[in-house]
Amino acid sequence: EADIYQTPRYLVIGTGKKITLECSQTMGHDKMYWYQQDPGMELHLIHYSYGVNSTEKGDLSSESTVSRIRTEHFPLTLESARPSHTSQYLCASSVGTANSPLHFGNGTRLTVT
Amino acid sequence: AQTVTQSQPEMSVQEAETVTLSCTYDTSESDYYLFWYKQPPSRQMILVIRQEAYKQQNATENRFSVNFQKAAKSFSLKISDSQLGDAAMYFCAFTNRDDKIIFGKGTRLHILP
Repeated sequence: EADIYQTPRYLVIGTGKKITLECSQTMGHDKMYWYQQDPGMELHLIHYSYGVNSTEKGDLSSESTVSRIRTEHFPLTLESARPSHTSQYLCASSVGTANSPLHFGNGTRLTVT
Repeated sequence: AQTVTQSQPEMSVQEAETVTLSCTYDTSESDYYLFWYKQPPSRQMILVIRQEAYKQQNATENRFSVNFQKAAKSFSLKISDSQLGDAAMYFCAFTNRDDKIIFGKGTRLHILP
């Protein structure tokens, strides 16, 4: 059973709409991450956070933004969705030590028409 | 810069047989951690096994074991007695004290009944 929750699971939306992908974890983890993954392909880190009020951009350039106002919540926002944003978005968290594994959510599969 | 290479995009194995997925990495660090993650189709990514670089003993988790060759910078995953539920994408990952997590491109494993 997942301790990290992503909603919605699937989203189909038109170009230009603003969307927020939700991610919450109940484990009290300090570190949280957003990855973008095309189906069956590699993961690309787009944002991460090491704690409340801490956010950083990842390796993949992204037009999205994130916030970390509460430890358990790490939403990702696209101000104006485009077809190029069509992908799967995975949220993950970890305790914070280097040897601690990532806990992943189920992902949000986004389709922008 | 650290890199992780999975040279087998896809592999197939007969049910009940043994299969080995390869992973090589490049780093100048001496202290780091290695992971294998499993991503079943349309399901949550989960940790399979992890290895601390300072440990010489290969990690084992039930039917899953690794062959960690530090000098060769190799970290292969062996799955014994393959089961249909093992069908998934498998990602090798590396992290060090900087806590930057680097994933390989993944290997899709098919289990043949």
